[in-house]
This record gives sequence, structure tokens and C-alpha cells, in this order.
Amino acid sequence: DQQVKQNSPSLSVQEGRISILNCDYTNSMFDYFLWYKKYPAEGPTFLISISSIKDKNEDGRFTVFLNKSAKHLSLHIVPSQPGDSAVYFCAASARGSQGNLIFGKGTKLSVKP
Amino acid sequence: ETGVTQTPRHLVMGMTNKKSLKCEQHLGHNAMYWYKQSAKKPLELMFVYNFKEQTENNSVPSRFSPECPNSSHLFLHLHTLQPEDSALYLCASSRVTGGDVGIRPQHFGDGTRLSIL
Repeated sequence: DQQVKQNSPSLSVQEGRISILNCDYTNSMFDYFLWYKKYPAEGPTFLISISSIKDKNEDGRFTVFLNKSAKHLSLHIVPSQPGDSAVYFCAASARGSQGNLIFGKGTKLSVKP
Repeated sequence: ETGVTQTPRHLVMGMTNKKSLKCEQHLGHNAMYWYKQSAKKPLELMFVYNFKEQTENNSVPSRFSPECPNSSHLFLHLHTLQPEDSALYLCASSRVTGGDVGIRPQHFGDGTRLSIL
């Protein structure tokens, strides 16, 4: 049973518009959430994270929102650029889990010029 | 330079072969991880080493044998693998401190693409 779900396998967005990637989780013990970006033939690269004590974290064009009551988080990229085209993974970690991460299946984002 | 280097990048082996995957991190981290990524599946955590001690083994078959000689190096020894073991194997490292270990993100290598004939 998947604890971290990314229900959209793919997303296509026009350059300059906003990309919104969604992630749902089921384990209420998760208290730390991360987004990773992966290009083909490369390993995942850490993008942005959020602790459960916050509901928003922003870094440049990237903002992550956390809704604990809905067990939902989202990554907003604005404005989207063609170089953002990649697979985005949502991951979660529970306090006391030694930092072990549970990953979603990923969403492939395509940003069209 | 990603900070986490995996070799080889690609490996093709028969089911009776023995091979090893190598991972080296240059980030001063003290925890290292092996993940498996199969097609259309999420990354699956296989092993965790924290300060060179194995702290996690997620029900991985014994045909996968990890080794962590020091906090900078991690190996995955492979023997008598099955075709379903074909996947991308990713190594990661992180800085783990005593308290809130979830705060530090893991840094990944580029993986070894393993194909079992």
C-alpha cells in the first residue's frame, strides 16, 4: 500500500505559466516532506523541503505548500521554464525513522516553449 | 561533480555471475543508502547505514549483500540475481545528527543501470 501518492503520472504546461504538482500521503507520522527533480540518466536532485510545523516554504520560483489536515502537499513552479522538464518525486519522512524517505512514483513535467 | 559517485553506470550480468556496485560520497556525510528503482514503481529503500552500522534492511533478498567499510564508501554485492532484479540502483548519502534526522535531505548518485540476462 503506497504511503506517498502522486496520482498524475504526467503534466504538460506552457512556458511562463504555473506548474502545480500534487502529492498525497496517508501516514500521519510523516513530519518532513521533500521534492526531488530527476533528469534522464541522472540521479534525483533535492529541490525543496518543508517541515510539518510550516504550511509553506518558498525558494525562488519554487514553493511547496503543505495541508496537514488533508494530508496533501503541492509544488508550485512559476514561471515554468523548458529546463524544468523532468520527473518530480515527492518524498516523506517520519520522526524517528532515521531520515528514511518514502517516495511517490513521480510526475513527469513537460514545459513547452 | 555530484558529490556522490556510483560505478559502474551500466552493468549487464548473467544470473550466475557475482558483481559489486560501488558508491563513494565526498560530502562528509555519515549515512548512506541503497535504493532500487524499477519501471513504473517508486524508489524503494533497500539498506541504510548510519555511522557505518546497518540500521535498516527492508526485507531485501540475501542475493543482495551490502558492505560499508567506512562512512564514505558503500558497496552492494550481487550474486545469483533474477531477471526481476533488473532496475536502476541508486546510492544516496545524508548528514544525520542525533536529533531530528529527517531534516537533512539525501543526496543521490546517478545510479547503476543493472540488466540481468
